[in-house]
Amino acid sequence: GAVVSQHPSWVICKSGTSVKIECRSLDFQATTMFWYRQFPKQSLMLMATSNEGSKATYEQGVEKDKFLINHASLTLSTLTVTSAHPEDSSFYICSAREQGLEGYTFGSGTRLTVV
Amino acid sequence: AQSVTQPDIHITVSEGASLELRCNYSYGATPYLFWYVQSPGQGLQLLLKYFSGDTLVQGIKGFEAEFKRSQSSFNLRKPSVHWSDAAEYFCAVGPPSSASKIIFGSGTRLSIRP
Repeated sequence: GAVVSQHPSWVICKSGTSVKIECRSLDFQATTMFWYRQFPKQSLMLMATSNEGSKATYEQGVEKDKFLINHASLTLSTLTVTSAHPEDSSFYICSAREQGLEGYTFGSGTRLTVV
Repeated sequence: AQSVTQPDIHITVSEGASLELRCNYSYGATPYLFWYVQSPGQGLQLLLKYFSGDTLVQGIKGFEAEFKRSQSSFNLRKPSVHWSDAAEYFCAVGPPSSASKIIFGSGTRLSIRP
């Protein structure tokens, strides 16, 4: 079945630094990937839709300059949290859907802690 | 407006007992419906999905769900829970288009009583 690999699984960074999270579709091509953020004991909130070869579409209230998304190939999307602050600490999850198939495959998530 | 409601925030059941997690949705057309499970610190795993056809859907780990159009519901059931079923469960709805987003419910945390 479709597999989405997300890396790293967890990361700790200092305030003011930037962190990049990768999301790869391992055995299929994904023209669209989705990035979610999940606060403790809460549901997933869609941050943005990543489109291969074009600009990402951000949800209302998500700072596009803070959460940079790049979808340079059909198998890789990256989320960069720029100038991270402690309030950016969260669980970030990506997902993708193989063209022509039904259902969404999720990565295993990245736990970001900003200190 | 499109929405998914999981009215139960936290449910505790005894091991071996039956389980039903509720999910109601509001959507313009018949959506694709999903149930996902999330263990602590992990990503989401698909339990089952409904697109069309038989309204009773079988999934992995012994779970099933029934789509009831008249009630706009897609409740998840399991006849006998195991301690390993303790996790967070999310109901989600999505459109047929692969480029469009899915909407998640707020989740139901399942605890298992020994």
